Amino acid sequence: QSALTQPPSASGSPGQSVTISCTGTSSDVGGYDYVSWYQQHPGKAPKLMISEVSKRPSGVPDRFSGSKSGNTASLTVSGLQAEDEADYYCSSYAGSNNFVFGTGTKVTVL
Amino acid sequence: EVQLVQSGAEVKKPGESLKISCKGSGFSFSTYWIAWVRQMPGKGLEWMGTIYPHDSDTRYSPSFQGQVTISADTSISTAYLQWSSLKASDSAMYYCARRVGNCFDPWGQGTLVTVSS
Repeated sequence: QSALTQPPSASGSPGQSVTISCTGTSSDVGGYDYVSWYQQHPGKAPKLMISEVSKRPSGVPDRFSGSKSGNTASLTVSGLQAEDEADYYCSSYAGSNNFVFGTGTKVTVL
Repeated sequence: EVQLVQSGAEVKKPGESLKISCKGSGFSFSTYWIAWVRQMPGKGLEWMGTIYPHDSDTRYSPSFQGQVTISADTSISTAYLQWSSLKASDSAMYYCARRVGNCFDPWGQGTLVTVSS
């Protein structure tokens, strides 16, 4: 299975919003409502930010939101803060207990 | 606290074998799928495969099938990732993560594997 496609980079000023896309196929993103998003700071392990397209785990700020339309999922970070600068990865269930990650997006807070 | 603690960094030569570990605590280890994820230097995350420790049901990404072996020991709540003959291209950070529903949380701290002659 091929990696999900994300833009390499995205940026915004503090307080602004940034949206990251994650494009797959009908066999993964489009076929299941099981897209999740992970934040990874340099030298750190990834952290779950969104599960099942739009669910925020306890402790994740409500500035983070997710959605999906067809084969493309999106993560929006509203009210950007300096600590949001990180790499973000989407992931999707792909059937038969298989998963696929996205190519990753580096978010820069200007 | 739910936690996954991985074994320490390894430096190996090409052709050597290696087994790294991931110990779970704070949850019923045998009843959660445990995933392994590779991150090559400066690159993205790659799903390698998962194991269900209760019955050792294991699934591999086609990219890693035959290249690595995933196993688990429920008696010590530990999952393993092993190579029989390392290559330089296996140099990477390897993470384990607990599958919850259809996402991964939490993640281990990572094990850096360096393969160099």
